[in-house]
Amino acid sequence: GAVVSQHPSRVICKSGTSVKIECRSLDFQATTMFWYRQFPKQSLMLMATSNEGSKATYEQGVEKDKFLINHASLTLSTLTVTSAHPEDSSFYICSAQGGGYPSYEQYFGPGTRLTVT
Amino acid sequence: GQNIDQPTEMTATEGAIVQINCTYQTSGFNGLFWYQQHAGEAPTFLSYNVLDGLEEKGRFSSFLSRSKGYSYLLLKELQMKDSASYLCAVRYNAGNMLTFGGGTRLMVKP
Repeated sequence: GAVVSQHPSRVICKSGTSVKIECRSLDFQATTMFWYRQFPKQSLMLMATSNEGSKATYEQGVEKDKFLINHASLTLSTLTVTSAHPEDSSFYICSAQGGGYPSYEQYFGPGTRLTVT
Repeated sequence: GQNIDQPTEMTATEGAIVQINCTYQTSGFNGLFWYQQHAGEAPTFLSYNVLDGLEEKGRFSSFLSRSKGYSYLLLKELQMKDSASYLCAVRYNAGNMLTFGGGTRLMVKP
């Protein structure tokens, strides 16, 4: 089956520093990847859509200069949280679109828990 | 907005049947997904509906009524490991993005 990995799984950083999270599709190519954040006991909130070779599309209210997304290849997208603050602490999940017709389902990575101190 | 509503929490007994409902705005509808998510883990795909009717997959079934903007996920022969959050997600228009409901936390008791 389609496997998506994320690295790191957990990260603790100090306020003001930057953190990079990697999302990889391991056994398939994904022209489109998605980045979500999830607060405790809440559902997934889409942050941005990452398209290989082009700029990411950000959802309303998501600062593109704070959450930098790069989708340099068909198997890798990165999310960099710049100048992190405690309120950025959350569970970040990526997904890659890999399902075939008609569902084109998304396969999710295991998530990255970010704690900003 | 494209409100997707599902109950926040449900409790059921091991071996029983539970139905988790989801309602959504119908304009631009282009497919509905159910995902299971255990705490601290990634969501895993359960089912996909785009046409009216019931899709059965083992102990899990999913139903869709496009005219009513309504879907349900039916879990039979509940097991303790079914305790998880169940997420309803809708694809709108021709895009690839999904809009998620708030999720239903299901607790299965002995």
